[in-house]
Amino acid sequence: GAVVSQHPSWVICKSGTSVKIECRSLDFQATTMFWYRQFPKQSLMLMATSNEGSKATYEQGVEKDKFLINHASLTLSTLTVTSAHPEDSSFYICSARDGTSGSLYEQYFGPGTRLTVT
Amino acid sequence: KQEVTQIPAALSVPEGENLVLNCSFTDSAIYNLQWFRQDPGKGLTSLLLIQSSQREQTSGRLNASLDKSSGRSTLYIAASQPGDSATYLCAVNGGATNKLIFGTGTLLAVQP
Repeated sequence: GAVVSQHPSWVICKSGTSVKIECRSLDFQATTMFWYRQFPKQSLMLMATSNEGSKATYEQGVEKDKFLINHASLTLSTLTVTSAHPEDSSFYICSARDGTSGSLYEQYFGPGTRLTVT
Repeated sequence: KQEVTQIPAALSVPEGENLVLNCSFTDSAIYNLQWFRQDPGKGLTSLLLIQSSQREQTSGRLNASLDKSSGRSTLYIAASQPGDSATYLCAVNGGATNKLIFGTGTLLAVQP
């Protein structure tokens, strides 16, 4: 149980275009989802917290107009990188928290999406 | 502001050795601490989760301990194998916001 998927697993796009990444909880309802970014040889940095049915909360320094997050259902959150630039190239990982079980705040992670902007 | 540090940054050991990875955090007011494994280019695999009220957790050859008052956790790997080679990350959860703050990671290489 507690499986989180991401789609696509990798994507290459041209500078100036937008890219959407999906994060799905496959066997549980995720009231809260998190989006992280990881640059090469660095650790994960939290970008934003997404709660179902409400606006996302962004970490300091993360541009909310550039990284659009939508959490329209209890099993799906999307991250759209708008007007992507080469410096947005990174590994994006989502996680989801099971809001119904006694998992005591444990987060389940997706496999990540490799974004390359040319 | 919570800061999480892992030592060493990299470690290379021969197969069969027992080893210890260290994680320290600056704010002891945590809800839980998790150890993860990350293979190159892949996502995270959760290894062990320790609640703030617990002292240790064990899973197979892995044992994680937590000393909340001193802001430290260790991950002990017994009888290391080449398949254990990966980056190991610890992360603390402050609880109120459920945000995970990740450590800097330890890159482990187990030589056959």
